[in-house]
Amino acid sequence: AQKITQTQPGMFVQEKEAVTLDCTYDTSDPSYGLFWYKQPSSGEMIFLIYQGSYDQQNATEGRYSLNFQKARKSANLVISASQLGDSAMYFCAMRGGLANKLIFGTGTLLAVQP
Amino acid sequence: EAQVTQNPRYLITVTGKKLTVTCSQNMNHEYMSWYRQDPGLGLRQIYYSMNVEVTDKGDVPEGYKVSRKEKRNFPLILESPSPNQTSLYFCASSKGANTEAFFGQGTRLTVV
Repeated sequence: AQKITQTQPGMFVQEKEAVTLDCTYDTSDPSYGLFWYKQPSSGEMIFLIYQGSYDQQNATEGRYSLNFQKARKSANLVISASQLGDSAMYFCAMRGGLANKLIFGTGTLLAVQP
Repeated sequence: EAQVTQNPRYLITVTGKKLTVTCSQNMNHEYMSWYRQDPGLGLRQIYYSMNVEVTDKGDVPEGYKVSRKEKRNFPLILESPSPNQTSLYFCASSKGANTEAFFGQGTRLTVV
């Protein structure tokens, strides 16, 4: 069965510093996709970054990068130069299997301090 | 503008009164799904649809129904809501397997 684990319920980071949000996954499928979403206090789900299981390089999108370690089954999100607006809940998700179901972790609440 | 539209955004209802939450996408996506979000549990999939007239249960389907008569619409039906269905609900659509899901704005449902 597929599973996503986020072990950090909450984190603090100082403004302008980098922060890493952990995500590990479990799947027996050779082909899968990994996603990170941001949910600010307003509630909407905002797509941040995607990594395919066959991608050779780590994905990057602006200040977001995904540290993909396939052998360890981890897909950590790195946010560089944190901003106050980065304060939000962050969800790691994985899509795979016959039904291409998108499953989510329980989330990490990030608070950026001035 | 590409979007997923859910209605209503907020709903308070009483136990047993049938309700429907609508979801519509304008991106011609095949894949649509419904999630509920509860504190400490993340998002859990209720139902999904891989195309018109093709729907299947997710992880928490009990107490819910869906239909997919048209590609753009995927309503969520609660035939007899109960207080344990109080939650934040999201509809999502995506083009294919390894593409991001686009989410609606969410529907906050309270069943009293």
